[in-house]
Amino acid sequence: NAGVMQNPRHLVRRRGQEARLRCSPMKGHSHVYWYRQLPEEGLKFMVYLQKENIIDESGMPKERFSAEFPKEGPSILRIQQVVRGDSAAYFCASSPPASLHTDTQYFGPGTRLTVL
Amino acid sequence: QQQVKQSPQSLIVQKGGISIINCAYENTAFDYFPWYQQFPGKGPALLIAIRPDVSEKKEGRFTISFNKSAKQFSLHIMDSQPGDSATYFCAASTGGKLIFGQGTELSVKP
Repeated sequence: NAGVMQNPRHLVRRRGQEARLRCSPMKGHSHVYWYRQLPEEGLKFMVYLQKENIIDESGMPKERFSAEFPKEGPSILRIQQVVRGDSAAYFCASSPPASLHTDTQYFGPGTRLTVL
Repeated sequence: QQQVKQSPQSLIVQKGGISIINCAYENTAFDYFPWYQQFPGKGPALLIAIRPDVSEKKEGRFTISFNKSAKQFSLHIMDSQPGDSATYFCAASTGGKLIFGQGTELSVKP
């Protein structure tokens, strides 16, 4: 049973470019979460999605950031016009449907974004 | 109110000793408290978790102690091993999103 998959593992962008981070949840999981980890800091919640729905985006910056989890395919975190402050590790987590233990989140290996 | 405060920031323990990491929270709506272990360059891995209706949970060498009235919970690692050297994060959640503590960098000396 494959775990949460994220790609790419490393991404380098120049200021002003767009970054697209992908996340495939564990098999059977219908909830996806995105977190950001700045160097030497803890993880900060960004957004919580179910298929085709954003449940909670309270941690998402108001501008340049967007997320989706389409009916088919992986969840995408999109950062437009990246700035150096966006350099961080971005982690995706997934959890089972609400009928099971929704709180239990399993993390992927992360995408390390570097903005030059 | 959404904060989770974790201490210490770093911890050095001798092999075979007990590692203790503490966390405190304010929001009484939190209803799930997991601990994660993270190695450099890797994603966090779930270690053990507890709900507030239980005061203690043990899995192997890892124990969570939970004090609902004090709004505190802690992780105890018994018989600490060099392979336990990692960063540990406590977290709390309600409604899905996890609020993480700042992390504790544990080093177990042989």
